[in-house]
Amino acid sequence: QAVVTQEPSLTVSPGGTVTLTCGSSTGAVTSGHFPYWFQQKPGQAPRTLIYETYNKHSWTPARFSGSLLGGKASLTLSGAQPEDEAEYFCILSYSGARVFGGGTKLTVL
Amino acid sequence: EAQLVESGGGLVEPGGSLRLSCAASGFTFSDALMTWVRQAPGKGLEWVGRIRSKTDGGTTDYAAPVKGRYTISRDDSKNTLYLQMNSLKTEDTAMYYCTTGGSRGYWGQGTLVTVSS
Repeated sequence: QAVVTQEPSLTVSPGGTVTLTCGSSTGAVTSGHFPYWFQQKPGQAPRTLIYETYNKHSWTPARFSGSLLGGKASLTLSGAQPEDEAEYFCILSYSGARVFGGGTKLTVL
Repeated sequence: EAQLVESGGGLVEPGGSLRLSCAASGFTFSDALMTWVRQAPGKGLEWVGRIRSKTDGGTTDYAAPVKGRYTISRDDSKNTLYLQMNSLKTEDTAMYYCTTGGSRGYWGQGTLVTVSS
C-alpha cells in the first residue's frame, strides 16, 4: 500500500504564510491522485477545505489554497489566524483505494 | 442545510459484529459517493471504504485492514448509508465518520466503536 507523507508539525506566525505538503511513496503527486485537504480541531469532526487539488467549498476561508508543487500536493495558508491552529490531513487516491497522510499539526504562534 | 448523522456505535467484544448507520439529509443522497473514515483515539484519519452511487455502478472499495470483514451498503429510499462490521478486532476501536466527497464535502459528527473484552 502506498504511503502518504506530511510534515508532522509546522509553526506559523499570526499573519504569516505557511505551506503544508502531501507526498506519495509511489512518486510525484498529480491531479490524478485527486488530493483533498481536511482541517480538524481537537474534539471536532474533520471538515473538508480543498477537494480535487485546488477546489474550495463555500465554507473554506479565502486564505487557504491548494496546488501541486514540486511533485507534491500543497496547502498554502496566507495570513494565518489564531483559529487556523489545527491538524491538517491530506488524502490521495490510488486505484481502488484512498490513503490519508499522517497529518500536520499546525501551530499559530 | 446538509447533515450526516451516524449511529450504532458502542462496546463490542472481539470477534463480534456491529452495524453503523449514517442518515443523510439536505442533499441528493442517491447521487452521492459515500465514504467511511475512522480515527483511533489520539491517532490520524484512516480511510475505511466507499460506495458509489447506483448510477455509477453502486460498487464498493475497501481498505486492506477491513477487506473481507466490513461491508458498506446504502438504502437510497431511506437516505441511509451502512457499515456492517464483522470479526471485530481491538484495533478497530475508533470514531467512525461518514462523509461525502467531491463538491459536497459533508462530514458527520461520528459514532464511537470500542472493541474490548
